[in-house]
Amino acid sequence: EAQVTQNPRYLITVTGKKLTVTCSQNMNHEYMSWYRQDPGLGLRQIYYSMNVEVTDKGDVPEGYKVSRKEKRNFPLILESPSPNQTSLYFCASSSLDRVTQPQHFGDGTRLSIL
Amino acid sequence: EDKVVQSPLSLVVHEGDTVTLNCSYEVTNFRSLLWYKQEKKAPTFLFMLTSSGIEKKSGRLSSILDKKELFSILNITATQTGDSAIYLCAVESNYQLIWGAGTKLIIKP
Repeated sequence: EAQVTQNPRYLITVTGKKLTVTCSQNMNHEYMSWYRQDPGLGLRQIYYSMNVEVTDKGDVPEGYKVSRKEKRNFPLILESPSPNQTSLYFCASSSLDRVTQPQHFGDGTRLSIL
Repeated sequence: EDKVVQSPLSLVVHEGDTVTLNCSYEVTNFRSLLWYKQEKKAPTFLFMLTSSGIEKKSGRLSSILDKKELFSILNITATQTGDSAIYLCAVESNYQLIWGAGTKLIIKP
């Protein structure tokens, strides 16, 4: 089954404690992306990657890091989380030929930073 | 600056009503406009529109794009309580999706 898998689904942690949210897709997609969703603001892109070892900043990259060492994985790293990073996070993937193929989303990770 | 604006931000109607949701955009290098429905979890894909004037239809939902006036509408006829959700519009530009804030639709029985 084609899917994007995020872990963990929920996490409550404290300010400054490094954390990683994993994202894996099984569709051999070139393009992967991280979004955060906050009430009234829609989805905002954090980082995206068009292929292995190619990553670019989205609209709100501050405080986040990513890596793309393998095509299927695109982890999101918060080196020193702060309360303003409390949010709902989505990973998504798609083929680069996006005229005909929409993005596939993971189920989301709800992060609470205390 | 690229932007996507959805209206209304929220809407409450009764079951059986017809609703029209709006999405206007200003982006460079437009490639496509997408509509998604979001209930409790991840957004689920509804429509992708790339050409003006061609209606996309799926059951009671339909959507159309106007590339001259830079907007799209999503229509839902004979609404049901299961249509209650946030409806998101996104525009693809330069390998990024620019998202609107969404329209929260509540259908009362």
